[in-house]
Amino acid sequence: QSVLTQPPSVSGAPGQRVTISCTGSSSNIGAGYDVHWYQQLPGTAPKLLIYGNSNRPSGVPDRFSGSKSGTSASLAITGLQAEDEADYYCQSYDSSLSLGVFGGGTKLTVL
Amino acid sequence: EVQLVETGGGLIQPGGSLRLSCAASGFTVSSNYMSWVRQAPGKGLEWVSVIYSGGSTYYADSVKGRFTISRDNSKNTLYLQMNSLRAEDTAVYYCARARIDYACVYWGQGTLVTVSS
Repeated sequence: QSVLTQPPSVSGAPGQRVTISCTGSSSNIGAGYDVHWYQQLPGTAPKLLIYGNSNRPSGVPDRFSGSKSGTSASLAITGLQAEDEADYYCQSYDSSLSLGVFGGGTKLTVL
Repeated sequence: EVQLVETGGGLIQPGGSLRLSCAASGFTVSSNYMSWVRQAPGKGLEWVSVIYSGGSTYYADSVKGRFTISRDNSKNTLYLQMNSLRAEDTAVYYCARARIDYACVYWGQGTLVTVSS
């Protein structure tokens, strides 16, 4: 049972837009802590995709965007491409645990 | 260039001990938030432990009292001492350099720990 809740899977056709939600609580996202997003391709380490709720590291396409409101956050991917097929994780900090926490992950399938 | 290289994984019997190492280059371990994150086979990511630049350490409840995070400043290396290992500790263990907001910017390639008799 992950501290942050994500849908297990989402899918979309090439060129479409998909969103992945991440729901937390008053001890993490709702307490004002930043949300970060990672992309994990099979057999590889996670890669930071979005940090500080909505910021993209250098090299991440602007097709990826993040937002946060209240106790939830979202990752949006526009212009879906085959290479976007991967697992996506949200992450924040939890004050009751004094540790970083992850969502359970969402598998994106490009149809 | 920032690099993190984990070593020390392997097959270990339940109840055994193992020490993972994460050799860093391109930055100073002691000046950063350094973390261990694990991923059980086919499962999601779990934050295991963090050590702050000031030396404070924190652990997931699942490993508290059994795992110890530490660093050797002279070797610029992060460690995870794992004792009383259980089958549920089987996972790929990643070390990561985190920002102050806990975003993990840099990751190692991971090392597999298998706890089985």
